[in-house]
Amino acid sequence: DVKLVESGGGLVQPGGSLRLSCAASGFTFSVYAMHWVRQAPGKGLQHVSAIDPNGRSTYYADAVKGRFTISRDNSENTLYLHLSSLRPEDTAIYYCVKGYYYDSSGYLNSWGQGTLVTVSS
Amino acid sequence: QSVLTQPPSASGTPGQRVTISCSGTISNIENTDVYWYQQLPGTAPKLLIYKNRHRPSGVPDRFSGSKSDTSASLAVNGLRSEDEADYFCAAWDDSLSAWVFGGGTRLTVL
Repeated sequence: DVKLVESGGGLVQPGGSLRLSCAASGFTFSVYAMHWVRQAPGKGLQHVSAIDPNGRSTYYADAVKGRFTISRDNSENTLYLHLSSLRPEDTAIYYCVKGYYYDSSGYLNSWGQGTLVTVSS
Repeated sequence: QSVLTQPPSASGTPGQRVTISCSGTISNIENTDVYWYQQLPGTAPKLLIYKNRHRPSGVPDRFSGSKSDTSASLAVNGLRSEDEADYFCAAWDDSLSAWVFGGGTRLTVL
């Protein structure tokens, strides 16, 4: 079974940084696109970032472009999201999501349990 | 504001049929497939319907999906108390090259 376990969330001050990790198991991590989707408290879902299997092609939502960096380590079956210059509006649960195939347009079929990032002074 | 439009709430009594709509544009729903996710309280979203009308294994056949032009619908037949959750529609947006979502519909079983 696919398992995605996020970690690294927490309370951080505005302007601060954080690195989220997602440990993947139960599938061949290196052949699938991976995504980060966030959900602000009581709000809907937002596609934040995506990365292709080789790590060469990435996507960022306009709201996070230039501040967040997605990466992956296929040898460790781990997905990362580095968050910097954090703002209060970045407060959300961040979900690690497996894509259906190698391209980012493949649907989002497996979700982790999420990790909460709170940006506040 | 979300790219796809859903009603914020829906409700029904046990045994009833409830439908939830999802409206988009030519760059998303009309030219791609629609997906539905169920989010039970305090949990992560779970894929409920894929490619407009298909159910992953384990999803009861009480749930069904449909799509026409720039709109899609999720129907829940024989409503049960455990169906009380938030439901989100999603689609790939060709112009944004990104996944877009509806704002979610909270389904209440009265």
